[in-house]
Amino acid sequence: QVQLQQSGPGLVKPSETLSLTCTVSGGSLSSYYWTWIRQPPGKELECIGYIYYTGTANYNPSLKSRVTISPDTSKNQFSLKLNSVTAADTAVYYCARLSPVAGWFFDHWGQGTLVTVSS
Amino acid sequence: SYELTQPPSVSVSPGQTASVTCSGDKLGNKYACWYQQKPGQSPVLVIYQNTKRPSGIPERFSGSNSGNTATLTISGTQAMDEADYYCQAWDSNTAWVLFGGGTNLTVL
Repeated sequence: QVQLQQSGPGLVKPSETLSLTCTVSGGSLSSYYWTWIRQPPGKELECIGYIYYTGTANYNPSLKSRVTISPDTSKNQFSLKLNSVTAADTAVYYCARLSPVAGWFFDHWGQGTLVTVSS
Repeated sequence: SYELTQPPSVSVSPGQTASVTCSGDKLGNKYACWYQQKPGQSPVLVIYQNTKRPSGIPERFSGSNSGNTATLTISGTQAMDEADYYCQAWDSNTAWVLFGGGTNLTVL
């Protein structure tokens, strides 16, 4: 059974870089797309971006200038870096596996990490 | 840009049928899926490819998609089904994920 385990700090100062890691167990990064999604408190889901295990990435246009998602196949992990954060980036961040079969859907999710941007 | 629209809230009595809709231009030409999210928990996939249920999802959950509307139907709704439900589709033109705004289902 595929499981996604998130790690990273829950508090980031304004203007600094938010960094999260998602470790995949029970399966390989290969042949799937891997995603970061966030959800501000009380709000809807927003896709930040996704990568293929080779490193090919696609980012939300509204965040593209500040986001990097990258794979580490040797550790079966992928990571999120969001720089120059503000209070508007406070949210629960989820990693998820994007299944590329017909329809493209998220079939496995991490446990979520609440990241608060505050000094 | 393409948008998916859901009603903010739906109420249903226990044992009755709940329907949650998701609207978008010619949505029936795309595949739709649905996630259930309970407070403080990660979303869970309950319907994919319009009508399919992942392993472990009860049979009372079903889906359809035609015209401009995808619908999640919960038959014999139980108190444990109270949650937020999000629809999602894929925009093949932009290779991007589309989420609806979510519907809060209340069972009372």
